[in-house]
Amino acid sequence: LAKTTQPISMDSYEGQEVNITCSHNNIATNDYITWYQQFPSQGPRFIIQGYKTKVTNEVASLFIPADRKSSTLSLPRVSLSDTAVYYCLVREYGNKLVFGAGTILRVKS
Amino acid sequence: ETGVTQSPTHLIKTRGQQVTLRCSSQSGHNTVSWYQQALGQGPQFIFQYYREEENGRGNFPPRFSGLQFPNYSSELNVNALELDDSALYLCASSSVGSFGETQYFGPGTRLLVL
Repeated sequence: LAKTTQPISMDSYEGQEVNITCSHNNIATNDYITWYQQFPSQGPRFIIQGYKTKVTNEVASLFIPADRKSSTLSLPRVSLSDTAVYYCLVREYGNKLVFGAGTILRVKS
Repeated sequence: ETGVTQSPTHLIKTRGQQVTLRCSSQSGHNTVSWYQQALGQGPQFIFQYYREEENGRGNFPPRFSGLQFPNYSSELNVNALELDDSALYLCASSSVGSFGETQYFGPGTRLLVL
């Protein structure tokens, strides 16, 4: 059964690195994996996108293994303002866009 | 700010009514996707429009329909509203590239069905 799964929640402390993994076993061959951040009552905000191996931008890194059936979002040094829900988004075969169920990240001081 | 706007911001309807939600895409984008996000859940893909044609659809019944206009703005229409249609409706615009697209989301329309 094709499914896009993420851990339900994670706790961290300020200054720590946080890694969130998404499993997407039905990802279409030629499409990117995208990660979003969402705060309550707001639209998802783009964090990072990649196709394979490793991508890094000013806020995060994204690690994608060769089979592309999973991806890991890495937030290098989280702060209290990073408390949010994090989603992966992939396109599956049949041209369906599928979000993971989301990971609630709680950052504590 | 993504440049994607949605209207209205909030809406209250009663069961059986019809509703139209609107989305203006970011400049330069030719693709619009719509999602339904129930409280506490991830967004669920409704459909996508590319150059005024439906380009993909999720597991939503035909009473969910859409349009995309020549300026790439879009409408989501929902007929015969049900209580379970209460949700945040998100619109995302994108421009299709060689290996897919990056979707940028609007703030959403909160629909409450009574």
